[in-house]
Amino acid sequence: GDSVTQMEGPVTLSEEAFLTINCTYTATGYPSLFWYVQYPGEGLQLLLKATKADDKGSNKGFEATYRKETTSFHLEKGSVQVSDSAVYFCALNTGTASKLTFGTGTRLQVTL
Amino acid sequence: DTAVSQTPKYLVTQMGNDKSIKCEQNLGHDTMYWYKQDSKKFLKIMFSYNNKELIINETVPNRFSPKSPDKAHLNLHINSLELGDSAVYFCASSGRDRDQPQHFGDGTRLSIL
Repeated sequence: GDSVTQMEGPVTLSEEAFLTINCTYTATGYPSLFWYVQYPGEGLQLLLKATKADDKGSNKGFEATYRKETTSFHLEKGSVQVSDSAVYFCALNTGTASKLTFGTGTRLQVTL
Repeated sequence: DTAVSQTPKYLVTQMGNDKSIKCEQNLGHDTMYWYKQDSKKFLKIMFSYNNKELIINETVPNRFSPKSPDKAHLNLHINSLELGDSAVYFCASSGRDRDQPQHFGDGTRLSIL
């Protein structure tokens, strides 16, 4: 079946540091890939997505590239802010009944 | 305007009770979902409805029963609540295309005493 593996958290960084959150997947089909962010006390929000190999999704300074050869979709940001502190979820959708498969989430804590 | 709204935001109740959570979306989406998020933030899909028809029913106790009166609403009824049901329940909706993201409500935190 489909699965998503994310790096364990929490990830603690100082403001303006470089961020990488690793995400790899296994899928029976050709998935669409997503990063969602969950701020404290809120629901999940779409951060970015990529729907085919070599696509780069980007939003709010975050980027992720769909790498089919390594089945990866790592999230990066060049300079994090305190306001980026949240839980980040990698997810995939192979189109089977619109079912999203989530990773376990990675908590990011950014300090001054 | 809130895109996906669920009520109540907090639900505290005793073991053995029956409770319902309501969800409404005003995005015109055909598909709606219920997810359960445990204390470690792990998210698991429970149900999915497409245009009022059940299309995903994961391994969920039959004490949980979704109901979709129309494609803008998907309610979740839970019978005989147990301690292990304590979690945050999220409703979501999306269009038909798998490339379209899911839009989530703010969640209902269910606490069983």
